Amino acid sequence: EAGVAQSPRYKIIEKRQSVAFWCNPISGHATLYWYQQILGQGPKLLIQFQNNGVVDDSQLPKDRFSAERLKGVDSTLKIQPAKLEDSAVYLCASSLGTDFNEQFFGPGTRLTVL
Amino acid sequence: KQEVTQIPAALSVPEGENLVLNCSFTDSAIYNLQWFRQDPGKGLTSLLLIQSSQREQTSGRLNASLDKSSGRSTLYIAASQPGDSATYLCAVRPPDSWGKLQFGAGTQVVVTP
Repeated sequence: EAGVAQSPRYKIIEKRQSVAFWCNPISGHATLYWYQQILGQGPKLLIQFQNNGVVDDSQLPKDRFSAERLKGVDSTLKIQPAKLEDSAVYLCASSLGTDFNEQFFGPGTRLTVL
Repeated sequence: KQEVTQIPAALSVPEGENLVLNCSFTDSAIYNLQWFRQDPGKGLTSLLLIQSSQREQTSGRLNASLDKSSGRSTLYIAASQPGDSATYLCAVRPPDSWGKLQFGAGTQVVVTP
């Protein structure tokens, strides 16, 4: 069974530029999560989708971050404009549903903002 | 507000010794608790998931216990090997969430040959 796929794996940008990350969850997983992991900290949930609807985006900085999950499969997370404090690893995870929620993570995208 | 703490932040043990990793949480009302392993530059690998009604889960050399009343979970790794070197994170799912996990900062483990 293929795992969660993410791209790119690494990205370096300058502040005020924009960047986008892509995630393809495990086939059949209805729930998709985007987490932000700052160095030395545990991951923090940014946004959670159930199929193609948002169920939790309470910690998403909506003035600069946006995410979508078209057709309930792939998802894209965008940052525009980026700030220095956005430097982190962005992890995508998926689960069968919110009740059966053992979460499986992708390899992450390491973002460096200069 | 739920807070998850993992102490120590790092530890080093010689090969063959048993590893004991601690996780504490402030609100005992959790839906489940999950232990993960993270290798440098990699994503998280799920190790064990314990439902709130369970006391422990086992997989191979790994055993995780859960004591909700005291807000603690312990991950035991028997007969450690250099390949066990990684960061171990625990995460709890609050009961009123849609599945989101609240993570600790992790314990970085080094097993020396």
